[in-house]
This record gives sequence, C-alpha cells and structure tokens, in this order.
Amino acid sequence: KQEVTQIPAALSVPEGENLVLNCSFTDSAIYNLQWFRQDPGKGLTSLLLIQSSQREQTSGRLNASLDKSSGRSTLYIAASQPGDSATYLCAALGGSNYKLTFGKGTLLTVNP
Amino acid sequence: GAVVSQHPSRVICKSGTSVKIECRSLDFQATTMFWYRQFPKKSLMLMATSNEGSKATYEQGVEKDKFLINHASLTLSTLTVTSAHPEDSSFYICSARDFRQSRSTEAFFGQGTRLTVV
Repeated sequence: KQEVTQIPAALSVPEGENLVLNCSFTDSAIYNLQWFRQDPGKGLTSLLLIQSSQREQTSGRLNASLDKSSGRSTLYIAASQPGDSATYLCAALGGSNYKLTFGKGTLLTVNP
Repeated sequence: GAVVSQHPSRVICKSGTSVKIECRSLDFQATTMFWYRQFPKKSLMLMATSNEGSKATYEQGVEKDKFLINHASLTLSTLTVTSAHPEDSSFYICSARDFRQSRSTEAFFGQGTRLTVV
C-alpha cells in the first residue's frame, strides 16, 4: 500500500526566501506525481505534474523534481511571497490502481 | 488547467435529511470522477471512484447506501449524503479525469463543499 509523507508539516519563512518542500513515497511504481496548493476552505489547485519518466517540471517560480528510485520529490519555491501562503500537497498516482495517494501536506506561511 | 465546478460550496442541513453535491467538468469530458473527504490535518481520503454510466466503486469502510454516487454523463457526477448525521460533517472534494488518452493524466479538483449537519 502506497504511503506518502510530507516534511515539514509546517514552515514559516520571511518574504523573499527560497524554500524546499519534501515529499516521499514508499512504492516507486507510480505513473506520476502531482503537487497541489490548497487555500483554507478551498479545493485543490494543480501546480505541477511530473510523469514517472521525467526528472523535473518548472512553472514560474516553482520547480518540482522527482527521483523515483529513492521515492522522493521536492517542490522548490523561489523568492517566496506572502501570497504563496497555503497548504501544499503532493500526491502519487498509483501504477496498479490509478488512484492518487496524498500526503498530509505542508502548511506554508510567508511573512511580509 | 481544466475547470471542475463543485456546488454548493457550503451547506448546512438538519440531521436526518439528505444533501446532494454536484461536480461538473466544465471544459473537458470526465470519464472518471473521484470523491474525497478531508479531515482536519489529515490526508484526503478517497471515498469512491465513478466511471460514466457505471456503478461507483467504493473504498473499504465507506457505506455505499449512505453516500450515493451517480455519474450519468461525462460532465456531471453527484454525491448524495443520505440521512445525514453530525458525524458526516466534513469537507468533500471531487476530482475529474479523462482517461481515454492516457492513464497518467492530470487530476483536476473542484472547490470543495463544506457540509455541516446540525
């Protein structure tokens, strides 16, 4: 059974800082890994999708990497802004059942 | 990205009544829709998977008679919480995917529905 872990559970940084969010998964047989953003009381917004054959994806100030062999993914946020404050979730799409398994998320607070 | 619309965003109902939540894919056809429940400080919990025109597949521990799911078209799925009780109060989120081209497509989510049963 796939298990996804996100570290840290919460992170508070000053504005302008670069930061890294970590995601690990136990079963490397995945189709893809997806990073989401969730604002309080809202749904999930897809940020980046990395296919199993890819090593990284970039969108603006966000860069996500994937190392299947070690079961790890990272989300790098450059020059953080207060508007980046949210919960960030990673989810692995299972190779056998096509279901997304989510981590518990990292609550990010960017202080002005 | 594609748009998934979920309605209502908030609902308060009396214990014993039923509540219907709609999930629509606005600009793509969703062969498969997923319904999740989110508890505070916990991962999203998959409740069921529905394919258009088929009966939903429920995860272990989810009562199919309590959480009725219908996926009658490629753009609409509904979740009905029947005979709601306070313990059903939660945040429910739907997700839609089009698996016709690939199994590895991006998942898009609705805005979520906060259900409060009083």
